[in-house]
Amino acid sequence: QKEVEQNSGPLSVPEGAIASLNCTYSDRVSQSFFWYRQYSGKSPELIMSIYSNGDKEDGRFTAQLNKASQYVSLLIRDSQPSDSATYLCAVMGSNYKLTFGKGTLLTVNP
Amino acid sequence: EAGVVQSPRYKIIEKKQPVAFWCNPISGHNTLYWYRQNLGQGPELLIRYENEEAVDDSQLPKDRFSAERLKGVDSTLKIQPAELGDSAVYLCASSLVGTANSPLHFGNGTRLTVT
Repeated sequence: QKEVEQNSGPLSVPEGAIASLNCTYSDRVSQSFFWYRQYSGKSPELIMSIYSNGDKEDGRFTAQLNKASQYVSLLIRDSQPSDSATYLCAVMGSNYKLTFGKGTLLTVNP
Repeated sequence: EAGVVQSPRYKIIEKKQPVAFWCNPISGHNTLYWYRQNLGQGPELLIRYENEEAVDDSQLPKDRFSAERLKGVDSTLKIQPAELGDSAVYLCASSLVGTANSPLHFGNGTRLTVT
């Protein structure tokens, strides 16, 4: 079982819609959870971090964490073409090792 | 604030040749990471430093890869000899401290092509 799993996608949504990205992880004692955005040919860029159960909102982005279900998600409201990128879920385990999922490719169609 | 600086951006070498990558982290960041990212995959950790000490090198192929972080600031990752399967993007990242709440900041990466 992979440590961090994401929907491989690609995910395609129309402009203005809500994009929902999901991630599950295997290490029950994981402490911190991050979402990175990676444009083609570029390096990952941090967009959200979440450390406790519940929702965390930042502009059009909402991260949701459920430690009991070992599940973390990212919602992007009012999706824009500029949101088209690969979204990487990253989980920090008990040994401070940050493990990434394979990423989900999101395409927002104008 | 200057970000993580890596060089070179691109490197093309023939198999069996050596290659080295350099990274300068964000000023004041004690923790430095080297990741490798293959096409269509997420980054995979190669090595993590806390200051000068390599605290996690379990994923580093030690037969051909080596790394150093002298004086706890910049770092060099070396491959000798390179193999075709080493073609990937090598990413350096740094964080303030190696704690759970310190997100990583990545450099632009070095794209290595081994022919």
